[in-house]
Amino acid sequence: EPEVTQTPSHQVTQMGQEVILRCVPISNHLYFYWYRQILGQKVEFLVSFYNNEISEKSEIFDDQFSVERPDGSNFTLKIRSTKLEDSAMYFCASNPGHNSPLHFGNGTRLTVT
Amino acid sequence: ELKVEQNPLFLSMQEGKNYTIYCNYSTTSDRLYWYRQDPGKSLESLFVLLSNGAVKQEGRLMASLDTKARLSTLHITAAVHDLSATYFCAATNNNDMRFGAGTRLTVKP
Repeated sequence: EPEVTQTPSHQVTQMGQEVILRCVPISNHLYFYWYRQILGQKVEFLVSFYNNEISEKSEIFDDQFSVERPDGSNFTLKIRSTKLEDSAMYFCASNPGHNSPLHFGNGTRLTVT
Repeated sequence: ELKVEQNPLFLSMQEGKNYTIYCNYSTTSDRLYWYRQDPGKSLESLFVLLSNGAVKQEGRLMASLDTKARLSTLHITAAVHDLSATYFCAATNNNDMRFGAGTRLTVKP
């Protein structure tokens, strides 16, 4: 069964550095998402992406964050100037349409030191 | 802004017992979802509820949706240890899926 893949599985970075989290959504899916989850707590919506542009974003998704679909398969989340509080598990998800559930990747654990 | 609230946040049950998890959402939502997350793992879709009165069942879990009350329930029947996990409901408004805080379920022998 096709799945959403995320790399790396774990990223350690120093405060102030930039990180890029990578995702390959399921190939026939049209909608892409980033969520984050801090230490097993609430799953927080960051951004949704459709037709090569952001369709919704949350209050968390400020100028520090950006997303890109650089080619036909990858979907990336860039975090500029990371802060300690950015440490979390970041999940990428995709779905083929509005009535479908999200298919989640296994997540990237980001640790900012 | 769409807000989703679940209760209880923590639930400890004995095997064989029944219980219900509640999910309220704040504004008109297109769809309601239930997900399961095992510790250290990703989220797995359980149910998609698309209309008022929708009921879905899978094994010992049954989900329902009342759009007028903006309420969904996840009912657990005769719980078994394998059901121990965190359960999230999520509601959508356009392209924006928001999750509840999750219910951490522990089923004890």
